[in-house]
Amino acid sequence: GQQLNQSPQSMFIQEGEDVSMNCTSSSIFNTWLWYKQDPGEGPVLLIALYKAGELTSNGRLTAQFGITRKDSFLNISASIPSDVGIYFCAGPTSGSARQLTFGSGTQLTVLP
Amino acid sequence: DAGVTQSPTHLIKTRGQQVTLRCSPKSGHDTVSWYQQALGQGPQFIFQYYEEEERQRGNFPDRFSGHQFPNYSSELNVNALLLGDSALYLCASSFVSRDTGELFFGEGSRLTVL
Repeated sequence: GQQLNQSPQSMFIQEGEDVSMNCTSSSIFNTWLWYKQDPGEGPVLLIALYKAGELTSNGRLTAQFGITRKDSFLNISASIPSDVGIYFCAGPTSGSARQLTFGSGTQLTVLP
Repeated sequence: DAGVTQSPTHLIKTRGQQVTLRCSPKSGHDTVSWYQQALGQGPQFIFQYYEEEERQRGNFPDRFSGHQFPNYSSELNVNALLLGDSALYLCASSFVSRDTGELFFGEGSRLTVL
């Protein structure tokens, strides 16, 4: 089945630093979604991307839909303590947005 | 405006027992999806309900079943529990008219099977 590979698995950064993480697939996706999960909570949608090459921002977050449709990137600028959490990429399984495939996540820790 | 609510938040069962988890979608949403999240993993799709029917199903055995009520709330039932069923069960709601993958998740029900 479809798989999404996220890297890195975990990151430790200093407050104020910029962060970059990515997600790749062997299959083409027509939508890329980035979710964040805080401890004890459900995932929250951060950014949705619908067109190859699209670059979308949400505050300090910027995500890009790769031209090949097989990858996506998420950047966080000037990290703050509340950025701590697990970031998941996700995409429609076999083209159907009724069912999402999630990556295994990138665990972000922000050090003061 | 209430978001997605799930109950119970935590529960402990023993192998072979049955469990029912409940979900109320975000106000105005008509579609409910269930995901299983094992420790250290991303959520895995179980199934989606719309108009009281199972609309899509993931790769889960028949021990996993669900129901949607006329008020759009939903239940997830798991029979003959196995140790491997221990996980966080997440409910997510959305509009059927916006099949975009933009889901609103609840906080989840943490199931431990002993």
